Amino acid sequence: DGGITQSPKYLFRKEGQNVTLSCEQNLNHDAMYWYRQDPGQGLRLIYYSQIVNDFQKGDIAEGYSVSREKKESFPLTVTSAQKNPTAFYLCASSATSANQETQYFGPGTRLLVL
Amino acid sequence: AQSVTQLGSHVSVSEGALVLLRCNYSSSVPPYLFWYVQYPNQGLQLLLKYTTGATLVKGINGFEAEFKKSETSFHLTKPSAHMSDAAEYFCAVIHTGGFKTIFGAGTRLFVKA
Repeated sequence: DGGITQSPKYLFRKEGQNVTLSCEQNLNHDAMYWYRQDPGQGLRLIYYSQIVNDFQKGDIAEGYSVSREKKESFPLTVTSAQKNPTAFYLCASSATSANQETQYFGPGTRLLVL
Repeated sequence: AQSVTQLGSHVSVSEGALVLLRCNYSSSVPPYLFWYVQYPNQGLQLLLKYTTGATLVKGINGFEAEFKKSETSFHLTKPSAHMSDAAEYFCAVIHTGGFKTIFGAGTRLFVKA
C-alpha cells in the first residue's frame, strides 16, 4: 500500500537535546512538507521541499532543520534552539508543488519534553 | 494576507441531524479550497476540494461543500450525522498562483446519540 509513514509515534526530548522525526513516502511524490499542530491553532508550516536536494523555510522554521537527500525521505530535526517543542508534528506530501494538489498526511509524531 | 476563519471551535449535533461547519476565507481572488478531516491522533485526510467549475462539491462520507464567491465562504454540510463523523475538521485555502496551504484553526464535531 502506498502512503506516508512517520516514526516514532511518540518522542520524548530532554533539555538541550536534538531529536529527529522520520518521514517516508512511497507515493513517488515530488513535494513534501512538515507541519506543527497545536491545540486551537490549526496547522503551521515549518519547512517544505518541492524537489530532492531543495527545501525552503515555512512560517515557523526557527529551531528546526530538515534535509531532502532522497525523494522518499524528509526528516525533521528539532534542535535545542526550539524552546517550546511540545506539539503534534505532521508530515505531508503532494505529487507536485502545483497549488491545487491534494496533500497526503502521515499519522503524526507527538513530541513531549521531559 | 490570506486567512481562513472557521466559525465555532466546537459543534455538537445529534445523530441524524444536519451537520454544518462554517468556513470563510479572505482573498482578493478565488482561491483553491479544501476540507480535511482528522480523527484523534491521526493525520489529516482530504474530504473534498474546489478548484474550478461546479461550485457544489461532493466529497467522501456524504459530505459536500458549496463555494460562494460573493460570501467568500466554503461551508461543509452533511444531511444526516453519524457517530463516526465525530472528528476535527479543517478548512484550507491555497491562493491561485501561490503554493502555501493556509489552514483554519479547526472545528471539532461532536455527535450525540
